[in-house]
Amino acid sequence: DQQVKQNSPSLSVQEGRISILNCDYTNSMFDYFLWYKKYPAEGPTFLISISSIKDKNEDGRFTVFLNKSAKHLSLHIVPSQPGDSAVYFCAASARTGANNLFFGTGTRLTVIP
Amino acid sequence: DTGVSQDPRHKITKRGQNVTFRCDPISEHNRLYWYRQTLGQGPEFLTYFQNEAQLEKSRLLSDRFSAERPKGSFSTLEIQRTEQGDSAMYLCASSLGRGGANQPQHFGDGTRLSIL
Repeated sequence: DQQVKQNSPSLSVQEGRISILNCDYTNSMFDYFLWYKKYPAEGPTFLISISSIKDKNEDGRFTVFLNKSAKHLSLHIVPSQPGDSAVYFCAASARTGANNLFFGTGTRLTVIP
Repeated sequence: DTGVSQDPRHKITKRGQNVTFRCDPISEHNRLYWYRQTLGQGPEFLTYFQNEAQLEKSRLLSDRFSAERPKGSFSTLEIQRTEQGDSAMYLCASSLGRGGANQPQHFGDGTRLSIL
């Protein structure tokens, strides 16, 4: 049962334009959401997070939006750069027990120079 | 901050052999996690330590798997009598648990296990 879903396996964007990556979740107990970037042969690298008490969090070129009623979050990257090309994973956790992360299946972003 | 370190990076072994992986978390982090990732999937939770105590185990962690964190610092994950289905990337992550505050988990580069 996939509790976190990323329905777009891949996305291509021109350099300088906005990249929008989407994520949906089903578990209403999730209260903390994260985005990770992964390059080949490396572990996931933490990018940005958002708590359920907020609907937006910004860090430089990266902004995460959370829509709790729709159980949807998105990551905006603007402007996109070729170095942003990687697999992006959405993850969520609940404030109970282990706080372990539930991951989506990832979206491969390709930024075209 | 030296990051989460995992050893070895790659392990190739024959079916039926035992393997052990090591994880060194970020030094001040009291929480340590093991995840497994297979091709085309996101990481899946295996087990969790707070300091030296193993507090939670996933249903994915069969009896052949055992994890330890003896002094609350580094951790080991052992797989006994390996099977083909154990082939995966094994990822370790650590975080700083502060009461109820959320803190991001930071991952190592993983150990890729291949079963012949």
